[in-house]
Amino acid sequence: KQEVTQIPAALSVPEGENLVLNCSFTDSAIYNLQWFRQDPGKGLTSLLLIQSSQREQTSGRLNASLDKSSGRSTLYIAASQPGDSATYLCASDSNYQLIWGAGTKLIIKP
Amino acid sequence: NAGVMQNPRHLVRRRGQEARLRCSPMKGHSHVYWYRQLPEEGLKFMVYLQKENIIDESGMPKERFSAEFPKEGPSILRIQQVVRGDSAAYFCASSPRAREGEQYFGPGTRLTVT
Repeated sequence: KQEVTQIPAALSVPEGENLVLNCSFTDSAIYNLQWFRQDPGKGLTSLLLIQSSQREQTSGRLNASLDKSSGRSTLYIAASQPGDSATYLCASDSNYQLIWGAGTKLIIKP
Repeated sequence: NAGVMQNPRHLVRRRGQEARLRCSPMKGHSHVYWYRQLPEEGLKFMVYLQKENIIDESGMPKERFSAEFPKEGPSILRIQQVVRGDSAAYFCASSPRAREGEQYFGPGTRLTVT
């Protein structure tokens, strides 16, 4: 049974820092891995999707990597801004079901 | 191309009433998924449907919950005789195919049971 873990659960950093959010999964037989952003009381914004055959994806200041063999994905945020404050969720697609991590709550201090 | 639409966005029901949540997938998408996010908890898969078929309902509570995706019209998640523990955000997603495809999410319906 797939389990997805995100570390850290919360992170507070000053504006401008580069940071890494971690996501690990127990079953490497995944079709893809997605990163989402969720603002308080709001919906889900898809950030990046990495197919199982890919190693990384980039969008603006965001870069996500995938290492299936070690069961890990990272989300790298460059030059963080206060507007990046949100909860970041990763989800593995193992068989059309998305299995979700509990999220990392990120606070960027001005 | 409109995104996934969910309505209502907010729904308040008293204990014992029925709640009906609607989801219109993106145009051309025939696969629909429902997820639930309980307060202070992570998202959990509930059910996966294709047109007129329930493919996997392993995440659905055995009682009071049902889902459908008719040939015409939106997908419906129905909760009968709601209880306070049903208060949550319910998200719907759609995809053009079942595997290796991105799931596109709607804005969610926030159900509050009083």
